Amino acid sequence: EAQVTQNPRYLITVTGKKLTVTCSQNMNHEYMSWYRQDPGLGLRQIYYSMNVEVTDKGDVPEGYKVSRKEKRNFPLILESPSPNQTSLYFCASSFSGATEAFFGQGTRLTVV
Amino acid sequence: QQPVQSPQAVILREGEDAVINCSSSKALYSVHWYRQKHGEAPVFLMILLKGGEQKGHEKISASFNEKKQQSSLYLTASQLSYSGTYFCGTATSGTYKYIFGTGTRLKVLA
Repeated sequence: EAQVTQNPRYLITVTGKKLTVTCSQNMNHEYMSWYRQDPGLGLRQIYYSMNVEVTDKGDVPEGYKVSRKEKRNFPLILESPSPNQTSLYFCASSFSGATEAFFGQGTRLTVV
Repeated sequence: QQPVQSPQAVILREGEDAVINCSSSKALYSVHWYRQKHGEAPVFLMILLKGGEQKGHEKISASFNEKKQQSSLYLTASQLSYSGTYFCGTATSGTYKYIFGTGTRLKVLA
């Protein structure tokens, strides 16, 4: 089954404790991206990757890091989480930035 | 800057029609439409590329006017299952960034 898998689905952490949210896709997609969703603000792109080892900033990259060492995986790293990073996060993949995107089920992150 | 969607929210009765608009301040290469139900991931509806095309998907169709940098989503004879939040997503010429609109909450009542 074609899918994008995110883990964990829910996470509560404390300020400053490094965390990683994993994202994996099994569709051989070139393009992967991370979004955060906040009430009233819709989905905002954090980082995207056009291919292995090629990443670039989206609209809200501050406080986040990503890496793309393999085509299927695109982890999101928060080196020092802060409460303003409490949000619902989605990973998505597609063949290119202009084709249908498939979303993971989301990760609800709370930073206290 | 995020594309602006209008209206922000709409309530319909089953069988009624609705139009959701998406307007960008930047030149667009493509426009995507997604629907998200509460607590779920967004689901792809359709994509429109430069060229002013119009597409249909069952009773949902869309148009893209690249000169005006606008897209509209048309929902006809709405069903209860159409309820959710609709987002337009835009790819801008010359960049691989992808920007979603602010969303339109649609509720269909029986």
